Amino acid sequence: DSGVTQTPKHLITATGQRVTLRCSPRSGDLSVYWYQQSLDQGLQFLIQYYNGEERAKGNILERFSAQQFPDLHSELNLSSLELGDSALYFCASSMGEGGTDTQYFGPGTRLTVL
Amino acid sequence: LAKTTQPISMDSYEGQEVNITCSHNNIATNDYITWYQQFPSQGPRFIIQGYKTKVTNEVASLFIPADRKSSTLSLPRVSLSDTAVYYCLVGDPYYNTDKLIFGTGTRLQVFP
Repeated sequence: DSGVTQTPKHLITATGQRVTLRCSPRSGDLSVYWYQQSLDQGLQFLIQYYNGEERAKGNILERFSAQQFPDLHSELNLSSLELGDSALYFCASSMGEGGTDTQYFGPGTRLTVL
Repeated sequence: LAKTTQPISMDSYEGQEVNITCSHNNIATNDYITWYQQFPSQGPRFIIQGYKTKVTNEVASLFIPADRKSSTLSLPRVSLSDTAVYYCLVGDPYYNTDKLIFGTGTRLQVFP
């Protein structure tokens, strides 16, 4: 158990819909990262927040947005969903903001868009 | 753009030593090399991190040559439970977004 929690575990929805994925970091960690992993694909970095502020941005679509709240939990919002958005979405957390920090990953949310 | 290259897959047998090499020709001075392990439908898990020469912990060793353009993760005496995907990640303490690239990793299959 990494200490990072993600909800829900599974999500099934239809094209065009909007969903929100939630992540709670490990106690004491200030950074939250979001990744997308499609079937048999590597991890695609989406975005990082550090202490409430956006810190780094990857290949995140404009239909996707995220935020980190004062209690440090984070939400990833996916809108106008397409079939290709079906994937595992992982959240990770780390203590600091740098690229050498060990990231602790949550169990993931499996999103299925029908 | 910092990029890592790893073999797509490797096979081994229980009890053997496995070495997985990652190529990172464009590694920068401040970059560290980190390896993660991922089991199916689980999030990746940190294995080891290093900057140069050799690092060893209770599960693996990491060998980094002087030019740092590659690194080798060494798993001693693998077991069936080491069957997983292994990712090499290059990152610096101050971040550039293009450094957070896990790639497709190396799928290690351990046979009995």
